[in-house]
Amino acid sequence: GAVVSQHPSWVICKSGTSVKIECRSLDFQATTMFWYRQFPKQSLMLMATSNEGSKATYEQGVEKDKFLINHASLTLSTLTVTSAHPEDSSFYICSARSGSYNSPLHFGNGTRLTVT
Amino acid sequence: GDSVTQMEGPVTLSEEACLTINCTYTATGYPSLFWYVQYPGEGLQLLLKATKADDKGSNKGFEATYRKETTSFHLEKGSVQVSDSAVYFCALIGETSYDKVIFGPGTSLSVIP
Repeated sequence: GAVVSQHPSWVICKSGTSVKIECRSLDFQATTMFWYRQFPKQSLMLMATSNEGSKATYEQGVEKDKFLINHASLTLSTLTVTSAHPEDSSFYICSARSGSYNSPLHFGNGTRLTVT
Repeated sequence: GDSVTQMEGPVTLSEEACLTINCTYTATGYPSLFWYVQYPGEGLQLLLKATKADDKGSNKGFEATYRKETTSFHLEKGSVQVSDSAVYFCALIGETSYDKVIFGPGTSLSVIP
């Protein structure tokens, strides 16, 4: 089946530093990937839609200069949290679709970011 | 806009009990409907799906039927196991929401021996 690999699975960084999270589709090409943020005991909040070869589409209220998304190839999207602060601590999850628009999403295992 | 509503959790059941997690949706036309499961510390996994009215999705003993008349997609299992303890998310992709998957708030299930 379609596998999405997300790395790292957890990261601790100091306030003011930047952190990069990678999302790879291992056995399929993903023209579109999605980045979500999940707060404890809450649902997923869509942050942005990442399109291969073009700029990401950010949801309202998500700072595009804070959360840099690059989708350089059909199998890789990256999310960089720039100048991280403790309030950026969260669980970040990427996903990708392997088929048509109404086919299900395949999720990575998420990245637990803790900013100290 | 499109939305998904789920029953509030947490739900605690004894092993072998019956499970129903209610899910209703608001969307125009005929959305595709999904149930995802999230085990502790992990991402989401697709549990089952249904793409048209009266379709029944099933997997690992779980079932859900797409009911257009009641705009529902309730998740059911006849006999839960401890290993079913997780958070369950109902979701939809609407005809007009294209790439966006709309998630419900999630329902936490704990199964005790």
